[in-house]
Amino acid sequence: AIRITQSPSSLSASTGDRVTITCRASQGISSYLAWYQQKPGKAPKLLIYAASTLQSGVPSRFSGSGSGTDFTLTISCLQSEDFATYYCQQYYSYPWTFGQGTKVEIK
Amino acid sequence: EVQLLESGGGLVQPGGSLRLSCAASGFTFSSYAMSWVRQAPGKGLYWVSIISGDGGNTYYADSVKGRFTISRDNSKNTLYVQVNSLRAEDTAVYYCAKAQLYYDSPGAFDIWGQGTMVTVSS
Repeated sequence: AIRITQSPSSLSASTGDRVTITCRASQGISSYLAWYQQKPGKAPKLLIYAASTLQSGVPSRFSGSGSGTDFTLTISCLQSEDFATYYCQQYYSYPWTFGQGTKVEIK
Repeated sequence: EVQLLESGGGLVQPGGSLRLSCAASGFTFSSYAMSWVRQAPGKGLYWVSIISGDGGNTYYADSVKGRFTISRDNSKNTLYVQVNSLRAEDTAVYYCAKAQLYYDSPGAFDIWGQGTMVTVSS
């Protein structure tokens, strides 16, 4: 199975900050990577697919980059509603796998 | 409105069984692969299984292979998973999710249900 290592596991940031989360795959997955946001008690929400394509309705302050084994999610100007846990997921090969998650907390 | 609604969760003893259901609406159900993803209390997301739009192809996580069976009834727009030989470590919220179509293959999960809780305990 492809392992996805996500970092950091948590971070503290302030509103207006630029935040970067990374995922590294144990083998090349081309651009078959998605990013999700999850708030407590809620289902995950798709933010980005194909590594860098913004899902419809998602604010443009979210962006994704990378290909192969190294990927990044960037929030350019953190808003109050962005405090949540973020997960990456590969859908290149079965079994599909998620990163361990990054909790973005208020500093 | 595109919607997924899970049901069937509950408290079950170790070794027991349940069938979880996910009713879909607002999209052409048979055109999309569907998946189950679970989340243990306080833990991260874990992909469980996926089934193709026509039901002909299924895949499982190693930890559930042989114990869980995913299926679908396209005439009822409903996804199922039969979960057998349950263990304490299967305790989780189980989400159903719709996979995007990405170059004729299943892609990221663009629609999620609200989840149904399965608790395995004596």
